[in-house]
Amino acid sequence: ETGVTQSPTHLIKTRGQQVTLRCSSQSGHNTVSWYQQALGQGPQFIFQYYREEENGRGNFPPRFSGLQFPNYSSELNVNALELDDSALYLCASTPQRGFYNEQFFGPGTRLTVL
Amino acid sequence: AQSVTQPDIHITVSEGASLELRCNYSYGATPYLFWYVQSPGQGLQLLLKYFSGDTLVQGIKGFEAEFKRSQSSFNLRKPSVHWSDAAEYFCAGVYTGTASKLTFGTGTRLQVTL
Repeated sequence: ETGVTQSPTHLIKTRGQQVTLRCSSQSGHNTVSWYQQALGQGPQFIFQYYREEENGRGNFPPRFSGLQFPNYSSELNVNALELDDSALYLCASTPQRGFYNEQFFGPGTRLTVL
Repeated sequence: AQSVTQPDIHITVSEGASLELRCNYSYGATPYLFWYVQSPGQGLQLLLKYFSGDTLVQGIKGFEAEFKRSQSSFNLRKPSVHWSDAAEYFCAGVYTGTASKLTFGTGTRLQVTL
């Protein structure tokens, strides 16, 4: 059974640019959630996708957007990057929508905005 | 606002000693509570969870946690710490409702001395 994978591992961008992060969910999981983890902080929920539809969103501006594909993999897009967007971005998958089940996390993508 | 608080940023214990990591949730309806561990370069892994019922919950890797409603706490414990337990530990909660989401504490970094 393949776990949650994320790509790329590291990424460096400059302010104002756009970035796309990718996540492959664990086999059999139809729900993907994205989190932002700033240095020294706990993960903060960005949004969740269930069967290609957004199923909840945290307190993040619209320049954070997402997509889920028919194979349940997902993308996180961030436009107009700001310095404060520098963080570890985590993807998690679950077999059901919502948050009452165990979240299976990927290793994350480290984004640095210069 | 519904929140989860971890009062200790950093804890150091000797190998073989007992461990208790603190977690408090905001007063009100009981959330679903979780403890996750994050090792360097790895995604978060679920240690245990509490939904209802028995207030003492057993998890993986020899960890347990006790839910205390009177103290709004869900502290993580281990009777004898191993050097491999050094990691970042996160308490998280989900409050039921239409806007439910997984809310993490800021984490406690555990250092184990030999």
